[in-house]
Amino acid sequence: EADIYQTPRYLVIGTGKKITLECSQTMGHDKMYWYQQDPGMELHLIHYSYGVNSTEKGDLSSESTVSRIRTEHFPLTLESARPSHTSQYLCASSELAGALHTQYFGPGTRLTVL
Amino acid sequence: SQQGEEDPQALSIQEGENATMNCSYKTSINNLQWYRQNSGRGLVHLILIRSNEREKHSGRLRVTLDTSKKSSSLLITASRAADTASYFCATSQAGGTSYGKLTFGQGTILTVHP
Repeated sequence: EADIYQTPRYLVIGTGKKITLECSQTMGHDKMYWYQQDPGMELHLIHYSYGVNSTEKGDLSSESTVSRIRTEHFPLTLESARPSHTSQYLCASSELAGALHTQYFGPGTRLTVL
Repeated sequence: SQQGEEDPQALSIQEGENATMNCSYKTSINNLQWYRQNSGRGLVHLILIRSNEREKHSGRLRVTLDTSKKSSSLLITASRAADTASYFCATSQAGGTSYGKLTFGQGTILTVHP
């Protein structure tokens, strides 16, 4: 098991609420990622970070925002949740050095917006 | 379309049989990786093959890479019911703005019946 954690594991919330999905890793990895995955579908990169104070948008446009104030912590925030945000959100990390880019994944947060 | 495309989309076999999954990609790669995802969980890294390698083994896993055809295959020998999961290929592209990012295929759902 990788040392990367996500909370909550499941979240059911009403439209318009602000939510923050937590992700933390204890491996000292510089790079961190957020993916969105619908059931049975591929992963879409929505945000990534090369290190503290670095955040970039991924390949799939998302209304969510991220921050990277500490190396180990990469939270994702939705200011106003909508039913279209219902999905599974996966956090991952990898080492910056080297060219292998193997990623380690957390267990995911399954978000349902009513 | 996606960088990585996999087939079949779903595969159902009996315990003890071999399972083969294929992945195709479009651009030059640094390496290709295979991940496994149990239902409702995060992804777990299985095996990585570099662009200058043609075949790699790890336990019951065998991966091949044909860069001329931009394709890879994952073979699981003597499958077990516990191998039931979704399997994703992911490519690490060579250089440029995609450095460090992985692009995932749509996955193959493998079901192994006892």
